[in-house]
Amino acid sequence: DTGVSQNPRHKITKRGQNVTFRCDPISEHNRLYWYRQTLGQGPEFLTYFQNEAQLEKSRLLSDRFSAERPKGSFSTLEIQRTEQGDSAMYLCASSLEGQWDTEAFFGQGTRLTVV
Amino acid sequence: TQLLEQSPQFLSIQEGENLTVYCNSSSVFSSLQWYRQEPGEGPVLLVTVVTGGEVKKLKRLTFQFGDARKDSSLHITAAQTGDTGLYLCAGARAAGNKLTFGGGTRVLVKP
Repeated sequence: DTGVSQNPRHKITKRGQNVTFRCDPISEHNRLYWYRQTLGQGPEFLTYFQNEAQLEKSRLLSDRFSAERPKGSFSTLEIQRTEQGDSAMYLCASSLEGQWDTEAFFGQGTRLTVV
Repeated sequence: TQLLEQSPQFLSIQEGENLTVYCNSSSVFSSLQWYRQEPGEGPVLLVTVVTGGEVKKLKRLTFQFGDARKDSSLHITAAQTGDTGLYLCAGARAAGNKLTFGGGTRVLVKP
């Protein structure tokens, strides 16, 4: 399977704990995006990388959130001191720079539940 | 405030009927994509439209991009139970840029 891969698929954590999610994009894609989706809503943009550079961060990304893409391949999203409001589906997508029509392909997501 | 407004929010129809989902904005997008999402899964790309007035067909699905590239529609002919899902439109302001999503339209096709 050469699609976008996310791990874990599900994560249940206690409030105040730190969690880290991983995303492996489609191998030739140099752009990687993180989105968050709450129940009944469309995904909301969090941040994106071109290669290893983080080019944009949403105001939704508080200082408890940090994302990295150290070698321009996989990415991690860490949430520190989780709160119940962080419960959501975290989606990763990738695309290829230079594609003028911006086709982004999504992974299956990581569902986070903070109890 | 959502930049992209989808309507209706929910649609329930019988198998064999037609349906149309709308995606509207006051902003211009360089491209617009339609996705379908199943519960607990990530969105799956259906189509990308880039040219104002463009119409694309994918079997029973017809996608249209407005002339001014501010709105789009998805029409399903003779819906099947397998068409059930959450339909999302998403626009990009520039190539390779982040996507702004609509709130989604939940479609239920009953047998």
